[in-house]
Amino acid sequence: DAKTTQPTSMDCAEGRAANLPCNHSTISGNEYVYWYRQIHSQGPQYIIHGLKNNETNEMASLIITEDRKSSTLILPHATLRDTAVYYCIVSGTGTASKLTFGTGTRLQVTL
Amino acid sequence: ETGVTQTPRHLVMGMTNKKSLKCEQHLGHNAMYWYKQSAKKPLELMFVYNFKEQTENNSVPSRFSPECPNSSHLFLHLHTLQPEDSALYLCASSGKDSLYNEQFFGPGTRLTVL
Repeated sequence: DAKTTQPTSMDCAEGRAANLPCNHSTISGNEYVYWYRQIHSQGPQYIIHGLKNNETNEMASLIITEDRKSSTLILPHATLRDTAVYYCIVSGTGTASKLTFGTGTRLQVTL
Repeated sequence: ETGVTQTPRHLVMGMTNKKSLKCEQHLGHNAMYWYKQSAKKPLELMFVYNFKEQTENNSVPSRFSPECPNSSHLFLHLHTLQPEDSALYLCASSGKDSLYNEQFFGPGTRLTVL
């Protein structure tokens, strides 16, 4: 699996958009970008994934650059409950593909 | 509630004890996983099962013994553990309708080895 690079921590004011960057310069053509988050002492939660097009769901938006070497996860209106560690992972498809978690970005949403 | 349950939620055991962790998924998935999360470390993949067959063993010590009797249940049998094995053990599942790596995680078992 390709390696990703994320900032260690970020702060965001409640109600504002949180933009979490991720670099994945060695991504292969058939690898997807996945985002998960882990709220303190809970299991990780899937957020969104994409291949090359921008994606949006009820939780977030994912913007992938044209060269696919980086991406940004956007939480449009961050709340205190979005405080968590966010993981950007590059992986292939398949029901038993591996996810390799790094250290992620610790997002702190404040009042 | 993700559809993946784990029991017990907390476990304290001595180094000579034998215990088992249980994971059950109600999602009809084909693949199940065990992860370990030690304090201030990234999640580490331990084992992967696909259609009850083990497809991945990430160099895990033999004192951890997984068992997958069917696609809905996964166990992790523990014996003669060390204090450094204290961690959060997470189970996950994936598959069925999704071709993508969308894994559903359970709440984890917080294990303390004395």
